[in-house]
Amino acid sequence: NAGVTQTPKFQVLKTGQSMTLQCAQDMNHNSMYWYRQDPGMGLRLIYYSASEGTTDKGEVPNGYNVSRLNKREFSLRLESAAPSQTSVYFCAGMGVNTEAFFGQGTRLTVV
Amino acid sequence: KQEVTQIPAALSVPEGENLVLNCSFTDSAIYNLQWFRQDPGKGLTSLLLIQSSQREQTSGRLNASLDKSSGRSTLYIAASQPGDSATYLCAVCPDYKLSFGAGTTVTVRA
Repeated sequence: NAGVTQTPKFQVLKTGQSMTLQCAQDMNHNSMYWYRQDPGMGLRLIYYSASEGTTDKGEVPNGYNVSRLNKREFSLRLESAAPSQTSVYFCAGMGVNTEAFFGQGTRLTVV
Repeated sequence: KQEVTQIPAALSVPEGENLVLNCSFTDSAIYNLQWFRQDPGKGLTSLLLIQSSQREQTSGRLNASLDKSSGRSTLYIAASQPGDSATYLCAVCPDYKLSFGAGTTVTVRA
């Protein structure tokens, strides 16, 4: 039982490049989330998917897009990376009124 | 907008002392509150989940209380150990989303 798996674990991008962060869960969670974590800012919600087929903006959606490909997979895309998007990105899954499970994070640096 | 505050931001205690970590939130309309632990460079690990109808939840040396009316939760860690050194985050779930506090970084000195 892998839980929530994120790929890649580390990535360096040049300004203007694009990339997709992948997240997959095998816990049958209805809801999935993308957060970013920055020093002194805590965890901020980028996008979430309350159920398969739906996605909604969180606190900081600008510069990102998401796809809920199926119940297991929720990807985050940066179309044109900016240095301000340097951060640690976490994917999470959660069932109805159950605890959330997080992936190990993707450390992204945009130079 | 739900605001979650954790005070203090950092805490250092000698081994064996009990830890008390505080979390406050502004909107009492929540489904549940969760406490997480995060080790440096790692993801978040769920410690305890308290449903909105519950007053407390216990797991081993950990006990978390919830007072929805006052918008507060407290995490107690009994007889702290150096292995308890980590950042502890609370999160409230008002609907499908989790809103996080900034965390309390705990150092337990041997």
